[in-house]
Amino acid sequence: EVQLVESGGGLVKPGGSLRLSCAGSGFTFKSYGMNWVRQAPGKGLEWISSISSSSSIIHYADSVKGRFTISRDNAKNSLYLQMNSLRAEDTAVYYCAKLYDFWSDSPFDPWGQGTLVTVSS
Amino acid sequence: DIQMTQSPSSLSASLGDRVTITCRASQGISNYLAWYQQRPGKVPKLLIYAASTLQSGVPSRFSGSGSGTDFNITISSLQPEDVATYYCQKYHSAPFTFGPGTTVDIK
Repeated sequence: EVQLVESGGGLVKPGGSLRLSCAGSGFTFKSYGMNWVRQAPGKGLEWISSISSSSSIIHYADSVKGRFTISRDNAKNSLYLQMNSLRAEDTAVYYCAKLYDFWSDSPFDPWGQGTLVTVSS
Repeated sequence: DIQMTQSPSSLSASLGDRVTITCRASQGISNYLAWYQQRPGKVPKLLIYAASTLQSGVPSRFSGSGSGTDFNITISSLQPEDVATYYCQKYHSAPFTFGPGTTVDIK
């Protein structure tokens, strides 16, 4: 069974940093692109970053560009999101999601259970 | 960037009703369109991809249609477990934008 487990969320002050992790299992992690999607409390889904299987192609949403860095360690079956210069509007549940198929034009499936990041003083 | 819109933003229907949600892209996206279901307090789940392909295990009362800029998801007979928010998403080339969501509940 494919599983994605996020960790690293918590309470952080504005301007602070946090590093999220997502551990993948049940599939060949190194073969799939991965994504981060967030959902602010009571709001919709917002794609924020994607990374290809080899880390050669990376994309960011404008809302996080320059502040967040996506990375992966295929030897550890892990995806990361380094979040710097955090703002109150970054408060959200952060999900990691696997590309459904090998190619880049693929929907997201499955999703992890999410980890809550709260930015507040 | 391509924008995704959905209508309606919410709807209330009776059990057994046929329900249709519309998603519109601001530019053509061929059939690179997915639908996700998010039940209250749960993780989003892929329902339909390539605009009309049902993900494995998804009940056949769900169907998708459309291409280019206009897409629909239809629930042929609304069931209690279908109470959820439904999101469309374009997945051809970043940014992989989601629609704002449509919340479905039972009248």
